[in-house]
Amino acid sequence: NAGVTQTPKFRVLKTGQSMTLLCAQDMNHEYMYWYRQDPGMGLRLIHYSVGEGTTAKGEVPDGYNVSRLKKQNFLLGLESAAPSQTSVYFCASSTGYEQFFGPGTRLTVL
Amino acid sequence: GIQVEQSPPDLILQEGANSTLRCNFSDSVNNLQWFHQNPWGQLINLFYIPSGTKQNGRLSATTVATERYSLLYISSSQTTDSGVYFCAAGGSNYKLTFGKGTLLTVNP
Repeated sequence: NAGVTQTPKFRVLKTGQSMTLLCAQDMNHEYMYWYRQDPGMGLRLIHYSVGEGTTAKGEVPDGYNVSRLKKQNFLLGLESAAPSQTSVYFCASSTGYEQFFGPGTRLTVL
Repeated sequence: GIQVEQSPPDLILQEGANSTLRCNFSDSVNNLQWFHQNPWGQLINLFYIPSGTKQNGRLSATTVATERYSLLYISSSQTTDSGVYFCAAGGSNYKLTFGKGTLLTVNP
């Protein structure tokens, strides 16, 4: 039982490049989330999903897109990366109550 | 949306000391969690506690929902307790707003 896993762990992009972060969970959770963590800011919600095929905007959605084609996977896309998107990205899943987090992806945009 | 404030922002302790971390939230909540982010960045679940009191070893937590605060108690602190402690609260069950955290340093 791996819990929540994230791929990749680290990534460096140049401004304007695109990439996709993958989150997978094996706990059969309905709800999945993407957060970003910046120094001194805590975690802020980017997008979330309440079930397969659904997505919704969180607090800071601009510049990101998401998809939930399969219940166990939640993808976060950056179409044209900007230096302001340099951050640590965390994925989480839940049954609607306690949230469980993945190990994070450290993204640097040059 | 809900506002979450944590205090103190920083705390330095000697090993063996006790501490209390506070989390205030601006509205009624159906979900409240405490997390520990270790120095490697991993977020570890401590408590799911929208109301009442729970204990897990040297850690305990109390949420008084009617007065809109939660407390995390750490007794007999150890160097491995160092890291950032986050409180997160939500008006709905499935969404959370995080506080900015308390940075705890436990010195040997």
